[in-house]
Amino acid sequence: RKEVEQDPGPFNVPEGATVAFNCTYSNSASQSFFWYRQDCRKEPKLLMSVYSSGNEDGRFTAQLNRASQYISLLIRDSKLSDSATYLCVVMEGKSTFGDGTTLTVKP
Amino acid sequence: ETGVTQTPRHLVMGMTNKKSLKCEQHLGHNAMYWYKQSAKKPLELMFVYSLEERVENNSVPSRFSPECPNSSHLFLHLHTLQPEDSALYLCASSQGVGTENTEAFFGQGTRLTVV
Repeated sequence: RKEVEQDPGPFNVPEGATVAFNCTYSNSASQSFFWYRQDCRKEPKLLMSVYSSGNEDGRFTAQLNRASQYISLLIRDSKLSDSATYLCVVMEGKSTFGDGTTLTVKP
Repeated sequence: ETGVTQTPRHLVMGMTNKKSLKCEQHLGHNAMYWYKQSAKKPLELMFVYSLEERVENNSVPSRFSPECPNSSHLFLHLHTLQPEDSALYLCASSQGVGTENTEAFFGQGTRLTVV
């Protein structure tokens, strides 16, 4: 079993849709959690940290469920520019990346 | 824009060549990483350095040889590579391997083609 698992997708949604990604992790001692975004042929960039209380940044909401060991990312009112691969990252001493979920937002 | 700089951005090398990739971070971080990303594949962690000491080597072939002379610089020395080693090589840094809430910052990567 992988340490960090994500649904690879692809998720194909129309503009304006709401889409949610989940990510599960196996190490209950994990301390920190992040979502990264990676555009095609580019480096991953931090999208947002994930806090226990949940956090929101504009159209993006991240949540952490420690009991069930998963984190989620919700994107509301999807834009074409949201098309990318979204990587879940779990840290316990080192960063462990999920394989990513590909999102394509279509007109 | 980025605090992590990688050079060169693109590299084409023959299987008998020796080349080096360079990474420099200007963020005052203590940990540095090498990742490999083949086309349309997930990131693969290769090496982790913390305070200039290698703390992780994920079964990487010996034709890849990392070097971390100080906490700001990381090199990946390449020799006798194979065509399947063609990939995007990404360097990253973070505040510390065991420090809480320390996200990783990536360089723009070196796109390597082995011919």
